[in-house]
Parts: sequence; structure tokens; C-alpha cells
Amino acid sequence: ETGVTQTPRHLVMGMTNKKSLKCEQHLGHNAMYWYKQSAKKPLELMFVYSLEERVENNSVPSRFSPECPNSSHLFLHLHTLQPEDSALYLCASSQGTGVGYEQYFGPGTRLTVT
Amino acid sequence: KQEVTQIPAALSVPEGENLVLNCSFTDSAIYNLQWFRQDPGKGLTSLLLIQSSQREQTSGRLNASLDKSSGRSTLYIAASQPGDSATYLCAVRLRSNDYKLSFGAGTTVTVRA
Repeated sequence: ETGVTQTPRHLVMGMTNKKSLKCEQHLGHNAMYWYKQSAKKPLELMFVYSLEERVENNSVPSRFSPECPNSSHLFLHLHTLQPEDSALYLCASSQGTGVGYEQYFGPGTRLTVT
Repeated sequence: KQEVTQIPAALSVPEGENLVLNCSFTDSAIYNLQWFRQDPGKGLTSLLLIQSSQREQTSGRLNASLDKSSGRSTLYIAASQPGDSATYLCAVRLRSNDYKLSFGAGTTVTVRA
């Protein structure tokens, strides 16, 4: 297992629900990322935080709301999702956001929107 | 914009056969290229990372080559085993970007016992 954990591992929610995904990294890193992986498609970068400040919001709909209270924790708050939001959501962390820093990935949360 | 393509999308081979997975990218000005393994419903495990100045990297039965001029990388897995069944992703990092990785959609490999 990597030093990046995600909970829950599986989540089924209706379109009117509100839920949150949690990511925690135990690597002492300063940057954290949310990615979306839809079936048969490349990973899409959603959000990037560096030292708890958001540095990237890749045109993600407002029904996805990230939160980074400290450098070890990252949340993705979900509300009024659509069925096409069903996907594997992956969290990653890295020492920094510079080009030389490798990203380490968590196991993902499999989200199904009904 | 960097486009990364992996062909084929799926591959099935008998145990013991060598695997050849292809990755192509459109912008040759890369910083590095990384190969990942992903088991069903799981996260990504890094297999090999090749810097732009390198031609290949090896780890056990795995060997990855990089040809920047042609925009290609190949992952070779020797003497495949059923445990090698997984999806293999390649990701490219551009020099001009910092943290951004451009991923291919992956090749799903099945090794038949």
C-alpha cells in the first residue's frame, strides 16, 4: 500500500445527496491532487493544492468543491451530482509542484451516481 | 496540448509470452515519461520513470524505452505471468508545465494461464 489513503473506497449516492471524499497522505508532502478517471478515458486533473492553497481548478463544475485544511488532508465535497459523474476519483500527493516531483497515488474512491 | 495515445486498448496473451505495450505522444519536449500499473478498481503504482535524457530503464522483467524524436515509448514485459494482468498507463510530463501529467487511456492486459 502507498502512503496515500482514501475513504470511502466505494460510494453510491443519489443525485440529490451530499457526500464527501477524503484523502490523507502520510508522506510529508506539500502538494495534493484530485483526478477523475472515467471508463476507458485518460485521467483528468481536477484540482491541485500546494501548501493548502488551490493552484489549479481545471474547469470543474461547481457541484465538486475541494477543501484542503492542512497539507496532509484533502476533501472533495459532492452535491447534486449527475450520472456522468460516476467514475473512479483518485487522490495523489507530491513533495512539491515543481517538474521534478513525482506524484504518489491513493487507491481511489469508486463513485456511482444513481 | 500534449496528446498521449496507447495502442492497443486491450491485449490477451498466453502465459510466458513477452508483452509489448506502446505509448505515443505528440509533443517531444518532455521532461520525463512514466509507466504505471493499475489493478481493477485500484490506484496507480509507478513501474518505471524515464527522464528525457535517458533511452531506457529496466526493473526486473520490465524494460521501458524512450524515443523522443519519434514521440514513442515502449514497455516490454518478459515472460508474462497471470499476475501481470492489469491496466498499464503511460504519463508524460512536459518541460513547460510543472506538475501536470498527460495520461494515455491505458492498455488492459490479460495473461492467460
